[in-house]
Amino acid sequence: NAGVTQTPKFQVLKTGQSMTLQCAQDMNHNSMYWYRQDPGMGLRLIYYSASEGTTDKGEVPNGYNVSRLNKREFSLRLESAAPSQTSVYFCASSERLLAKETQYFGPGTRLLVL
Amino acid sequence: EDQVTQSPEALRLQEGESSSLNCSYTVSGLRGLFWYRQDPGKGPEFLFTLYSAGEEKEKERLKATLTKKESFLHITAPKPEDSATYLCAVQAGNSGYSTLTFGKGTMLLVSP
Repeated sequence: NAGVTQTPKFQVLKTGQSMTLQCAQDMNHNSMYWYRQDPGMGLRLIYYSASEGTTDKGEVPNGYNVSRLNKREFSLRLESAAPSQTSVYFCASSERLLAKETQYFGPGTRLLVL
Repeated sequence: EDQVTQSPEALRLQEGESSSLNCSYTVSGLRGLFWYRQDPGKGPEFLFTLYSAGEEKEKERLKATLTKKESFLHITAPKPEDSATYLCAVQAGNSGYSTLTFGKGTMLLVSP
């Protein structure tokens, strides 16, 4: 099993450009998440999808949109990139069993917005 | 609002020098406390979940403990390969769906 995979690994954008970050998991998990990680800020939740067909805002959703394409895939879109969106983006997935769940993370996408 | 504070921000140890990392939290209704390890340029790697005060879990040189206000990650006789950033996160809420709140992490460097 590959676990959680993310593409691309690294991307450079100019201000105003758009792009979509892709995430896929092969663990048959119901829930998926997008985080950003900035120096000194820790991991902050952008959006999540508790189950296929649902999405909800996290702590820092402004400037982002998401799509839960199917149970395996959850994409994050930046419509008009800004320098403040320079960050490392992580996707995660989890499955709730008997009220217990653990999130498993992908390797990350490093985004630089100039 | 759920809060998670990790200390120290950074810790430098000599190989074999045991120590502890702290994670203090303020939540309403703890469902679980999670420890992750993160190597530079990589995603967080799951280590432990603790669900109730008094619970302990061990993995190799690592031991995690939980009280009603904080968790400790004890590192016994660390080796250079234990160098990483250790992240703590809490899942809280008395009902319904809830997400994780992460601390800022402790960067551990173990020197040979």
